[in-house]
Amino acid sequence: KNQVEQSPQSLIILEGKNCTLQCNYTVSPFSNLRWYKQDTGRGPVSLTIMTFSENTKSNGRYTATLDADTKQSSLHITASQLSDSASYICVVSEGNDMRFGAGTRLTVKP
Amino acid sequence: ETGVTQTPRHLVMGMTNKKSLKCEQHLGHNAMYWYKQSAKKPLELMFVYSLEERVENNSVPSRFSPECPNSSHLFLHLHTLQPEDSALYLCASSQASGRVGGTDTQYFGPGTRLTVL
Repeated sequence: KNQVEQSPQSLIILEGKNCTLQCNYTVSPFSNLRWYKQDTGRGPVSLTIMTFSENTKSNGRYTATLDADTKQSSLHITASQLSDSASYICVVSEGNDMRFGAGTRLTVKP
Repeated sequence: ETGVTQTPRHLVMGMTNKKSLKCEQHLGHNAMYWYKQSAKKPLELMFVYSLEERVENNSVPSRFSPECPNSSHLFLHLHTLQPEDSALYLCASSQASGRVGGTDTQYFGPGTRLTVL
């Protein structure tokens, strides 16, 4: 069982709508949590990174939250655009190791 | 443009071939990484180099052989691969020490799509 579970596996929304992606982890001890965006045929691009003491971090229309007590993170996308169609990957670090989620595939339709 | 380039972008090879993947970073970073991304599976870290020295090898089969001649270039030499090695191979670089769990951001290249027949 992967130590980083993302849900949903895939999601389709209409342009302009908001959505929230989930990441639950069992990694311990926790160092930091990243969200990456990966466009089709491209490498991942970092969106946010949060350490233990941070519970929210924004990057434009992307807002990540972290609850280290429940070991949950979410990525909220506001006013979605067609260009938001991509895979979103949650990565949790423990010490000198990184654990990757399998990603959520988001499709934004006009 | 992330400043990390990879060549070739696509590669098809037979199981008896020998080929190499190349990665170059133009960001002045000290650490470079190879990842494997298979369909619908999480990214797998394969190798980490910091200041041209290998610091991490996650039990990767010996048919994958990395080489880091300087801090800007990273190669992945392939020989006698298996069909299950077909995947997207991603290279990344970061500014700092190459400590995998640290807070320095990794910048990824576009990847090489490898198909093993």
